[in-house]
Amino acid sequence: QKEVEQDPGPLSVPEGAIVSLNCTYSNSAFQYFMWYRQYSRKGPELLMYTYSSGNKEDGRFTAQVDKSSKYISLFIRDSQPSDSATYLCAMSGTGNQFYFGTGTSLTVIP
Amino acid sequence: DGGITQSPKYLFRKEGQNVTLSCEQNLNHDAMYWYRQDPGQGLRLIYYSQIVNDFQKGDIAEGYSVSREKKESFPLTVTSAQKNPTAFYLCASSLTGTSGDFTDTQYFGPGTRLTVL
Repeated sequence: QKEVEQDPGPLSVPEGAIVSLNCTYSNSAFQYFMWYRQYSRKGPELLMYTYSSGNKEDGRFTAQVDKSSKYISLFIRDSQPSDSATYLCAMSGTGNQFYFGTGTSLTVIP
Repeated sequence: DGGITQSPKYLFRKEGQNVTLSCEQNLNHDAMYWYRQDPGQGLRLIYYSQIVNDFQKGDIAEGYSVSREKKESFPLTVTSAQKNPTAFYLCASSLTGTSGDFTDTQYFGPGTRLTVL
């Protein structure tokens, strides 16, 4: 079983829609959870991070962590064509290694 | 501007050649990482280094080598022993690499796309 599972999509939504991206994980020691956005042929850029359970909001983006279910989500409100990218979840525990999902490809159609 | 730079952006290698990918950071981060990204497989860790003159193998180190002679530089050599080197290579850095604190969040460079001819 992989440490982190992420639905690869692709996901296609109309402009203005609410997007939900999700990851599940198996290691209960994970405490730090991140979302990266990666445009085609570019390096990933850090979008959101959260510690332990709970929600964090930043503009149109909300990151949610449910440690009891080992499930994290990223919500994008009022999605824009510029949000079209691959979204990677990542997580780590007390060690120095990060574990990444395979990424979900999102296209927002004008 | 602080950040991570990788060069070249595109690299072509002939069979049997060794090639070196450059990674430089001016973030004053102690830890640096190399990942390989293939379609449908996500990021896989090749090597990482938490301090100058020290580095550890990641999950797929075979056929690769690294050095860490300076804090800001972490070059990756893809040797002829790597049988399937065509991939997108990403370098990252984090502040200390010794704990899960958010100061250790990883920041990525723009990547190098390596193609074997």
